[in-house]
Amino acid sequence: QKEVEQNSGPLSVPEGAIASLNCTYSDRGSQSFFWYRQYSGKSPELIMFIYSNGDKEDGRFTAQLNKASQYVSLLIRDSQPSDSATYLCAVASGGSYIPTFGRGTSLIVHP
Amino acid sequence: NAGVTQTPKFQVLKTGQSMTLQCAQDMNHNSMYWYRQDPGMGLRLIYYSASEGTTDKGEVPNGYNVSRLNKREFSLRLESAAPSQTSVYFCASSRTVNTEAFFGQGTRLTVV
Repeated sequence: QKEVEQNSGPLSVPEGAIASLNCTYSDRGSQSFFWYRQYSGKSPELIMFIYSNGDKEDGRFTAQLNKASQYVSLLIRDSQPSDSATYLCAVASGGSYIPTFGRGTSLIVHP
Repeated sequence: NAGVTQTPKFQVLKTGQSMTLQCAQDMNHNSMYWYRQDPGMGLRLIYYSASEGTTDKGEVPNGYNVSRLNKREFSLRLESAAPSQTSVYFCASSRTVNTEAFFGQGTRLTVV
């Protein structure tokens, strides 16, 4: 069973701070890693994807991948109240390569 | 550009009734998926279609069937609905199986 683990939270940060969201996975053969944001009552929307070890930056978002330690992180700089949502990590593992989703971390950014 | 379109958005069924959820994408994607989302359980894969003409079971396929009608459309059928199938259902599509997926707006299904 391929597992993707996330702390359910909620993670509460003040406006303007850096929010750090973490995700660990069990399959060392994992190839692709995705972060989605889901507002309450809405569908997931892709924020970032990362395939290689290291960091990938897109605006206020940075994804960090460490395959040796089997974790992927999402950093949100200058957090805004509009970033308050559930963040889902998804990992595409060996075999079918169908992404498996974690249960999500709830982020609250308070003014 | 519509992306992924699901119908209906809301549905109430009685136990034992059947229904089909429809999904269509206009992004020329090869792969399509059906997920269900329950509180505290995250997204769980029901069935997927890696490419037109193929379908495979996911994590929770029992009680469901699917049809990949053509490259654009992927339907999910509940033959005999049960209260345990009360959930929010999402259809998604991606260029290939290990690339980023795009989701429809979801169907909130209640089985009473």
